[in-house]
Amino acid sequence: DIVMTQTPSSQAVSAGEKVTMSCKSSQSLLYSENKKNYLAWYQQKPGQSPKLLISWASTRESGVPDRFIGSGSGTDFTLTISSVQAEDLAVYYCEQYYDTPLTFGSGTKLEIK
Amino acid sequence: EVLLQQSGAELVRPGSSVKISCKASGYTFTDYYMHWVKQRPEQGLVWIGRINPANGNTVYAEKFKSKATLTADKSSNTAYMQLSSLTSEDTATYFCTSSTLWGQGVMVTVSS
Repeated sequence: DIVMTQTPSSQAVSAGEKVTMSCKSSQSLLYSENKKNYLAWYQQKPGQSPKLLISWASTRESGVPDRFIGSGSGTDFTLTISSVQAEDLAVYYCEQYYDTPLTFGSGTKLEIK
Repeated sequence: EVLLQQSGAELVRPGSSVKISCKASGYTFTDYYMHWVKQRPEQGLVWIGRINPANGNTVYAEKFKSKATLTADKSSNTAYMQLSSLTSEDTATYFCTSSTLWGQGVMVTVSS
């Protein structure tokens, strides 16, 4: 199974600050045939279902604010929130869909100071 | 409206089984795999498996091969997951997800 490692496990920032979180996979998620990284980022707010923010490592879903930026390739990926808002309080998960079983990171909990 | 509507919360006895449903609307049910994900209280997301609603083909995570059974009914655009031989370890919220959609989750509580 592909192991997804997320760091940090939690992070506290003030509104307006920039935050970055890391996701590393135990093997490459870059498929050579189409040059796509099979990596997604989800946001889960308290008491809600996960919401897909970014697919293919860097493609923002429709309606997702442009302050959410996904980057990286191969085994190292980053989610950046350029200017954190109070409503961004949530746990953020990365997920690989390169191979079954699909696997998630353990999450980064974002707290607002 | 495009959505996945899951069945209601379940309180079940240890050793029993439960079947939860996920009704799709607003898109072509057979165009996308339906995945199921487990989340224990205050814990992370674990993939259980997926079904291709077009032909019923399934893929399971190893640890759920004897625990979960996935089915799909094309006539009603509904996917099902049956969980068997329930223990306290199965107390969790179970989500269905397809394409970019997620259901609201079903809380299954295993208790005597």
